[in-house]
Amino acid sequence: NAGVTQTPKFQVLKTGQSMTLQCAQDMNHNSMYWYRQDPGMGLRLIYYSASEGTTDKGEVPNGYNVSRLNKREFSLRLESAAPSQTSVYFCASSEWGRGYGYTFGSGTRLTVV
Amino acid sequence: QQQVKQSPQSLIVQKGGIPIINCAYENTAFDYFPWYQQFPGKGPALLIAIRPDVSEKKEGRFTISFNKSAKQFSLHIMDSQPGDSATYFCAALYTGNQFYFGTGTSLTVIP
Repeated sequence: NAGVTQTPKFQVLKTGQSMTLQCAQDMNHNSMYWYRQDPGMGLRLIYYSASEGTTDKGEVPNGYNVSRLNKREFSLRLESAAPSQTSVYFCASSEWGRGYGYTFGSGTRLTVV
Repeated sequence: QQQVKQSPQSLIVQKGGIPIINCAYENTAFDYFPWYQQFPGKGPALLIAIRPDVSEKKEGRFTISFNKSAKQFSLHIMDSQPGDSATYFCAALYTGNQFYFGTGTSLTVIP
């Protein structure tokens, strides 16, 4: 099925550990995004990539880095995980500038202890 | 600062009722307003969307009402069903394709 695939689905990290969240889309979309979802906060943009080769900060980029590996793949890295990064992370993709909605992945539930 | 303010936080209605979820924004540069539906353990899915040159849009049982002068828009769910129980997010589009989301409304439809 076409869509956005995220791995892993669940992860528990110790404070200070690093990890990379993977995202791939097969809809040939130009733009990709990373959001975090926290209770009462809605969805907040961490980083986005309008097109292959570009990345930009969103609302809450501190503590994260991203890589747009190719048109299909956009990864999110936590270099030194903190408990405040406990959240559900969603990757999404879309066509830039078309005003169409996002297609979201199913999420990664991350717990930092 | 929340760019899009959504209310209520939670909503419980009887089957067949018409839940209404409201959103308000300040930035007049927003030019596309979608609603997303999210079931537990899943990512949000686009439900319906509207542009500011239209005052109302219907798709099946879902209707968006848009008031440009008041900078408000709302989602109405006609003849609500238990299967509509989910979290609903409004959003607003800024600068090409950066969306700002509301904080979400948890809807429960009681059989």
